[in-house]
Amino acid sequence: QVQLQESGPGLVKPSETLSLTCAVSGYSISSGYYWGWIRQPPGKGLEWIGSIYHSGSTYYNPSLKSRVTISVDTSKNQFSLKLSSVTAADTAVYYCARRIQLWSPFDYWGQGTLVTVSS
Amino acid sequence: SYVLTQPPSVSVAPGQTARITCGGNNIGSKSVHWYQQKPGQAPVLVVYDDSDRPSGIPERFSGSNSGNTATLTISRVEAGDEADYYCQVWDSSSDHHVVFGGGTKLTVL
Repeated sequence: QVQLQESGPGLVKPSETLSLTCAVSGYSISSGYYWGWIRQPPGKGLEWIGSIYHSGSTYYNPSLKSRVTISVDTSKNQFSLKLSSVTAADTAVYYCARRIQLWSPFDYWGQGTLVTVSS
Repeated sequence: SYVLTQPPSVSVAPGQTARITCGGNNIGSKSVHWYQQKPGQAPVLVVYDDSDRPSGIPERFSGSNSGNTATLTISRVEAGDEADYYCQVWDSSSDHHVVFGGGTKLTVL
């Protein structure tokens, strides 16, 4: 059974960089598929942040592209998110998820982790 | 960029049929996926590729997609179906972006 687990600081100061990691078990990232990040501000809807293919190709939401970096570490079977210059508007639950092809749905999700941006 | 429009809320009595729409320009040419999200939980895929169901999802959940509207239909609605529902597509025309609808709160009266 594929499982994804987000980890990282729950509190980040404004203007700093948010960093999260998604550990994958039950499947080897190096075998393929697309791995992505989705966030949800409190009381609001889902927003796609970006995705990475196992080989390293990346796809970002244009509204966040200038601040986002997604990377993959196949040796640790995990992928990561960095979001720079954060503001209170970046406070959200951050989910990692998997999809098989670009046009596929997100079939496996992490439980989500709340990140609050505050001084 | 591509926009998906959902009604903010839909209400239905137990045992009735709920229909949640997702509007987008020529959405019928895209594959639409639907997720159910209950409070404090991660989204769960309930319909993919317009009308297919993942294993474990009841047959009461079905989908259709044509023209400018995709629809998630929940038959014989139960109290446990009360949740937020999101549609999602892959926009191949804009650098492979993923787009979510704004979400619809389904209330079971």
